[in-house]
Formats: sequence, structure tokens, C-alpha cells
Amino acid sequence: EVQLVQSGAEVKKPGESLKISCKGSEYRFTSYWIGWVRQMPGKGLEWMGSIYPGDSDTRYSPSFQGQVTISADKSISTAYLQWSSLKASDTAMYYCARSDYFDSKTYFDYWGQGTLVTASS
Amino acid sequence: QSVLTQPPSMSGAPGQWVTISCTGSSSNIGAGYDVHWYQQLPGTAPKLLIYGNNNRPSGVPDRFSGSESGTSASLAISGLQAEDEADYYCQSYDSSLSGSVFGGGTKLTVL
Repeated sequence: EVQLVQSGAEVKKPGESLKISCKGSEYRFTSYWIGWVRQMPGKGLEWMGSIYPGDSDTRYSPSFQGQVTISADKSISTAYLQWSSLKASDTAMYYCARSDYFDSKTYFDYWGQGTLVTASS
Repeated sequence: QSVLTQPPSMSGAPGQWVTISCTGSSSNIGAGYDVHWYQQLPGTAPKLLIYGNNNRPSGVPDRFSGSESGTSASLAISGLQAEDEADYYCQSYDSSLSGSVFGGGTKLTVL
């Protein structure tokens, strides 16, 4: 069965850097997009960006462009989401999710369990 | 403010039929782009419920159905059950943002 397993919860101070991961298994990792979705406490879902591990083609939501970096290492079937300098407002649950396409038909069929990021002094 | 608008909350009694709306614009649903729906049970990750406007992944009961018309889409749940109490999100593609957009979510309470 397709699985996306994310790294564990993180507690950081504002200004610190962070990289969280999402490992795919039981499917061809290089043939599907991986998207990252933010859910702030008590709020809804927000698409941040997606990467195609096959060629590292990466797309960002305008709201998150320049705020985070999405990358992937196809040799270990893992996608990453990183911050160079966390803000308190980055406190949220972050999900990775798989999609077949990046176009008008994009939907997310499998989701990771989520990584809770807390940025607090 | 979310690009796709959903009612923040809805409720229904067991056995009832409820519909959750998702209103967009000419750059997303109105442009003919597919609408998809997700169910998020408390404390868990979202789960794909409907894709391509009205297709159910394997394992999703046929009590759930989707429709789309103009700049809006709807998720219908028939024969409401206690286990349907969850948050529901619509999602589509937006050409002006060049990516996916979600609705703000609807919290469904089963009375």
C-alpha cells in the first residue's frame, strides 16, 4: 500500500532553520508529484507548493514563494520542506501529499500523517 | 480569505441528507477545472473523498457524491451517520494563482 511517512514533531525558536521530510514507499516515487499543505492551528488547508522528484520541477504558491524551499532526493524517495529562518507564524501542522499531475486535474490521493512545527521563544 | 468559499459549519440528524457548497470564480471552478473533496476526522490527516467532481476512490461509501455547476460545486452526504462528523474541504485549480486552492472548510456536526 502507498505510504507517505513524515518526520517527527519539531520545536524550534524563531530565527532557527528547519528541514522536515516525507518518505514515500510502495509506489514509483519519481513518477508522482509531492505537494506540501499547511494547516495552522484551528484553520483550514493551504497548498504551499509541489515538486516532481523525477526532474525536481518545483512549483510554489505565490503566498509561500521565497518563504520556504521544497526539494527531493529521489535516491531515497524523500521530499523535504525547509525554512532558513522560522517565524512564530510558521507554527502549524504540515502535510505532504501525493498527486498524479500538476495541472487543472490535480488532486491529492495519499497523505502523510503530518509534522507539527512549533516556533516559539 | 480562501479562494473557494464554504459555509463554516453545518449540522444534520442521523439519516438525513446534507449538502456542502463550495463557491469559486471564473479562474477556478467557473473555468471548468475539476473539484475534489476531502474529509478530515478530528486529529487526523485529510483523506480524499471525491475526485474529478464526482468520482469516489475505492472504499468511500456511495452515500457521498459530488456535483458541479457554473462557479460552484457541492458535496452531498445521504443517510448521515455519526462517523461522518468531520471537517470537509473542497479543492480545485486556479489559473490566476497557477496552483491548487482549497476552500476554508466546513465543520459538519451530526446531531
